[in-house]
Amino acid sequence: QVQLVESGGGAVQPGGSLRLSCAASGFIFSTYGMYWVRQAPGKGLEWLAFIRYDGFNKYYAASVKGRFTISRDNSKNTMYLQMNSLRAEDTAVYYCSKGMDQKISLNYFDYWGRGTLVTVSS
Amino acid sequence: EIVLTQSPATLSLSPGERATLSCRASQSVGIYLAWYQQKPGQAPRLLIHDASSRATGIPARFSGSGSGTDFTLTISSLEPEDFAVYYCQQRSDWPLTFGQGTRLEIK
Repeated sequence: QVQLVESGGGAVQPGGSLRLSCAASGFIFSTYGMYWVRQAPGKGLEWLAFIRYDGFNKYYAASVKGRFTISRDNSKNTMYLQMNSLRAEDTAVYYCSKGMDQKISLNYFDYWGRGTLVTVSS
Repeated sequence: EIVLTQSPATLSLSPGERATLSCRASQSVGIYLAWYQQKPGQAPRLLIHDASSRATGIPARFSGSGSGTDFTLTISSLEPEDFAVYYCQQRSDWPLTFGQGTRLEIK
């Protein structure tokens, strides 16, 4: 069965950095686009970043472009989100999710991890 | 950016009743719209994709319709476990966007 497990969240001061990981299993990781989606406390869902199945194409939401970097290691079935210059408004639960269709960039999210909480506060 | 507007913000109904949730897009998304259900403390779950196709394992009481800019999620007869927040999402263009959600609460 498909499993996505996020890790790396925690508390960080404004301006700081964190690196999130998403360990995937139960599907052929190297053939699916992967995504990060976040949810601020009590708020809705916000798509953040996409990485193509082979890692060669990436898209970012305007709110994180230039501060966050998505990457993946298909040999380890793992995706990452490097978050720099963190702000209070980045406080949220960060979910990794799998694209529904193989080798498609614009996608729906058919599996989600449980999420990891990032808190940015002084 | 394609803005998705969901209505109503909150819907209060009783078990056994029919629920109708709306999602309107700021420009046409064709049929490239999905619906998700999210319960407190849980990740979202994909219910409907491509406007009207149920995802794997989703009960038949959930149905989706619409195209272009106007979409509807219908729950034919509410079960106690259906009370949750529902989001729509488009995959027509970057950035991928979600609606702000409709909270379905027990009356």
